[in-house]
Amino acid sequence: KAGVTQTPRYLIKTRGQQVTLSCSPISGHRSVSWYQQTPGQGLQFLFEYFSETQRNKGNFPGRFSGRQFSNSRSEMNVSTLELGDSALYLCASSYDRVLQYEQYFGPGTRLTVT
Amino acid sequence: QKEVEQNSGPLSVPEGAIASLNCTYSDRVSQSFFWYRQYSGKSPELIMSIYSNGDKEDGRFTAQLNKASQYVSLLIRDSQPSDSATYLCAVNLNTGGFKTIFGAGTRLFVKA
Repeated sequence: KAGVTQTPRYLIKTRGQQVTLSCSPISGHRSVSWYQQTPGQGLQFLFEYFSETQRNKGNFPGRFSGRQFSNSRSEMNVSTLELGDSALYLCASSYDRVLQYEQYFGPGTRLTVT
Repeated sequence: QKEVEQNSGPLSVPEGAIASLNCTYSDRVSQSFFWYRQYSGKSPELIMSIYSNGDKEDGRFTAQLNKASQYVSLLIRDSQPSDSATYLCAVNLNTGGFKTIFGAGTRLFVKA
């Protein structure tokens, strides 16, 4: 079974631009979560989607948004990029069934904002 | 107080020894607990999940959960140099669905 895939793997953007990242979950997984990882702040929860609905949200500004499609694929968008948005963005998927709450991560998208 | 706390290390153990990694969490109603391993430049890889008090063993790994003490641990037996990585403790908060909080991670070095 294929794992979680994320595109693109690397991205360089300029401050003020916007960016869209894509995530395809493991087949059959219904929940998709997004995380930001930086050396200083570690792995931080952005938001989680299930059946095209955002169920949970972390403490990030409104510039960070996401959505989920009917096939469970998800995208996240960051508008008006700031230098501090440079990070590894990780997507994780899960079955979200009783006692099957394990999340599996994709390889991540490395975003550099200049 | 951070929601999930880990000793950042580094923790250094000789090859063949037992490595013990610890984690405490603040949300008393958390239900799901996980350990991930992350190699430098790679994404986190799930090692263990644990949902009920007690021990859960999988190969060389044992996860221990004590909900009364709000404490989770991971034991790695017969540590190998390939186990050298950062180990992340993760707790899924009881919000309905996923709101998973990660600890800062413990760096483990296994010396050959």
